[in-house]
Amino acid sequence: QVQLVESGGGVVQPGRSLRLSCAASGFTFSNNGMHWVRQAPGKGLEWVAVIWYDGSNKYYADSVKGRFTISRDNSKNTVYLQMNSLRVEDTALYYCAREGDADHLPNSFDIWGQGTMVTVSS
Amino acid sequence: SYELTQPPSVSVSPGQTARITCSGDALPKKYAYWYQQKSGQAPVLVIYEDSKRPSGIPERFSGSSSGTVATLTISGAQVEDEADYYCYSTDSSGKGVFGGGTKLTVL
Repeated sequence: QVQLVESGGGVVQPGRSLRLSCAASGFTFSNNGMHWVRQAPGKGLEWVAVIWYDGSNKYYADSVKGRFTISRDNSKNTVYLQMNSLRVEDTALYYCAREGDADHLPNSFDIWGQGTMVTVSS
Repeated sequence: SYELTQPPSVSVSPGQTARITCSGDALPKKYAYWYQQKSGQAPVLVIYEDSKRPSGIPERFSGSSSGTVATLTISGAQVEDEADYYCYSTDSSGKGVFGGGTKLTVL
């Protein structure tokens, strides 16, 4: 079935780095843009980054620009989020989400993973 | 930076109509999307491109947009509709943005 599974979360000290992965299955991964969305404990959703289906374009929220890098490997059906210079305020549950294509729920987050928790603390 | 503004909470009795608004300066030119998030679960798309409903979403969910305000309407709200609702859109540079979320209480 169509599925996204995130991994790589954990507890890390401020200033350190972490790389999240999101493995996709059940669909043609190279057809869809992919996003990262995060949710701090007890707070709302925050969009983090997007990468186009072919990796040609990437956009970031101002809060992470210059520190986080989104990438993808279409041969491995995986999208990544490299997080550097982590801050306490980056503590959140990080979701990856599939963007629908032109024929099905365009520009929508139609499939979500269950998330991976990142805790930044000294 | 671009912002979408939602009321923090909306409360209705079962069977009543719930309306949740989302205001943003770019909404006249950009679509709004609505997501439902129940406690401990990942979000679920309930409305896309202002007013379209994905398959499997009950007909009582509808969306509209006029000027700088998009609205999610739940006609005949059910207890199971109690959740947090988030609007989403993009700014002119392609960056995404969520509204702050609205907690819907049905009791």
